[in-house]
Amino acid sequence: DTGVSQNPRHKITKRGQNVTFRCDPISEHNRLYWYRQTLGQGPEFLTYFQNEAQLEKSRLLSDRFSAERPKGSFSTLEIQRTEQGDSAMYLCASSFGTGGYGYTFGSGTRLTVV
Amino acid sequence: GQQVMQIPQYQHVQEGEDFTTYCNSSTTLSNIQWYKQRPGGHPVFLIQLVKSGEVKKQKRLTFQFGEAKKNSSLHITATQTTDVGTYFCLDTGTASKLTFGTGTRLQVTL
Repeated sequence: DTGVSQNPRHKITKRGQNVTFRCDPISEHNRLYWYRQTLGQGPEFLTYFQNEAQLEKSRLLSDRFSAERPKGSFSTLEIQRTEQGDSAMYLCASSFGTGGYGYTFGSGTRLTVV
Repeated sequence: GQQVMQIPQYQHVQEGEDFTTYCNSSTTLSNIQWYKQRPGGHPVFLIQLVKSGEVKKQKRLTFQFGEAKKNSSLHITATQTTDVGTYFCLDTGTASKLTFGTGTRLQVTL
């Protein structure tokens, strides 16, 4: 297991298009988190899953955003009708339990909406 | 809502100088974790502090949790160019309230 894997690494899309990102967490980790990070800012929490259940969503996650983790393994984050303000780095992290040993982050997907 | 501020926002030091970043919260922190993010990279976990007044060391890095659990600090002794990056604190709290600090960007030059 080489850690948390995210793809694609980069995505350029036109405004109004839909995009989907994938995250493969560390296999032993039951919790999976999505964050958004813009330049010069700290990561902002979007949502998290415990196994396949989505337990919490940030108010930042508008109805254009949806996340799934169908079998409690990988997760997808979809953004519909993208806007320029959606341009950011989308980070996925996983942890075993409540993250007492830290959260392991993937390398992220950089989204650019043109 | 909770705000976790870090100071300074940016610091530029000469290699060999010391560096400290402070993490301050408007509310009591649950547990504090520290992360390092290299330019163009992703956050990497450094350490977790749990107890009031706790001090932990990792080689040249010293982490401290305030007595009132409202602040924390990371001190680097004799910085090296490999220390370059942004250092974030994270209040773990409950999962939905995982709040990163604003970050301190460290630049080290020879």
